[in-house]
Amino acid sequence: QVQLVQSGAEVKKPGASVKVSCKASGYTFTGYYMHWVRQAPGQGLEWMGWINPNSGGTNYAQKFQGRVTMTRDTSISTAYMELSRLRSDDTAVYYCARDRSHGSGSYQIDYWGQGTLVTVSS
Amino acid sequence: SSELTQDPAVSVALGQTVRITCQGDSLRSYYASWYQQKPGQAPVLVIYGKNNRPSGIPDRFSGSSSGNTASLTITGAQAEDEADYYCNSRDSSGNSVVFGGGTKLTVL
Repeated sequence: QVQLVQSGAEVKKPGASVKVSCKASGYTFTGYYMHWVRQAPGQGLEWMGWINPNSGGTNYAQKFQGRVTMTRDTSISTAYMELSRLRSDDTAVYYCARDRSHGSGSYQIDYWGQGTLVTVSS
Repeated sequence: SSELTQDPAVSVALGQTVRITCQGDSLRSYYASWYQQKPGQAPVLVIYGKNNRPSGIPDRFSGSSSGNTASLTITGAQAEDEADYYCNSRDSSGNSVVFGGGTKLTVL
């Protein structure tokens, strides 16, 4: 069965960076785009971008351009999302989530990780 | 601000039918997907494409679309359907993902 297991909660100071990992299992990691979505406390879902694990190509939401970097390590079927220059309003649960289509992005998400809470506080 | 608009809250009596809507220009070109999210949990895909349910999703969930509006219908709502529901699709450029603001469904 498809599983996405994310790294644990993080507490960071403003201005710092955070890197969240997402280990995939139960399917061919390089066959499906991986999206990153965040959710601030009590708020809705916000798409941050995707990475194509096969090529390493990325597509970031305009809001996060210059601050987010998505990478992957195919040898361990793991995707990473790093967000820099953290602010208090970056406090949120960050999810990795698999694209539904094999080979090319459909921009539809089927499986989600359990989420990683990132708290930004001085 | 979101390019997909949802009503913030909707309620339905137990066993009755409820429709949750999602409006946006991009829905004229792209299908919406629908996600159910319960407190403290990750979202779960319930409808994708024209009207497709992933394995394990009850057939009381269905989807439809007309013009710039996509709809999620729950026929015979159950207490366990009480949750937040989000729609998503591509944006108008086709290069990004957008989510609706979410609808909180209360089952009375």
